[in-house]
Amino acid sequence: EDKVVQSPLSLVVHEGDTVTLNCSYEVTNFRSLLWYKQEKKAPTFLFMLTSSGIEKKSGRLSSILDKKELFSILNITATQTGDSAVYLCAVWGGSNYKLTFGKGTLLTVNP
Amino acid sequence: DSGVTQTPKHLITATGQRVTLRCSPRSGDLSVYWYQQSLDQGLQFLIQYYNGEERAKGNILERFSAQQFPDLHSELNLSSLELGDSALYFCASSPDRGLEKLFFGSGTQLSVL
Repeated sequence: EDKVVQSPLSLVVHEGDTVTLNCSYEVTNFRSLLWYKQEKKAPTFLFMLTSSGIEKKSGRLSSILDKKELFSILNITATQTGDSAVYLCAVWGGSNYKLTFGKGTLLTVNP
Repeated sequence: DSGVTQTPKHLITATGQRVTLRCSPRSGDLSVYWYQQSLDQGLQFLIQYYNGEERAKGNILERFSAQQFPDLHSELNLSSLELGDSALYFCASSPDRGLEKLFFGSGTQLSVL
């Protein structure tokens, strides 16, 4: 069965801290890994990674994929209260090429 | 705003009933996906349609069914509802068959009492 595991499940930090969120996967026919941010309702897209070792950046957020070790990390530097959300990792793959999500990491940034 | 529209936003119903959730994808998107999100299970893939045809199936119960119409909107039908079906149901869309980023609607919160 395809699995996507995120850690930690929950994280509380102060504004200005740097955080690292982890995502490991066991998925057959791996194609790509995606990160989403879920605040109130709809998950919103952050990054899509297909190649190992190439960092994707968007402002204070960055992510990298390691296809050999089957994991990805999402880094957020200089965190702000607006970064408080659930961060979801998802992987395209499996026998029927579906997008499988992890359970998410709840990030709380306190002022 | 992702451009994906889901109705209704909230639905409260009793066990044993049947409900229909509706989704309009982003303009031009041919694929529609349905996901169920509960507190303990996270986002679970239910089913995908591409241009009116079923493309991939996930953990969808026999009591649930879906379809995509010629105008590309989709409906998810949930019948013989149980307490455990209470969850947030998301629709997402993408331009092509898959392996790309999905755009999510705001979801329908279903409460079965």
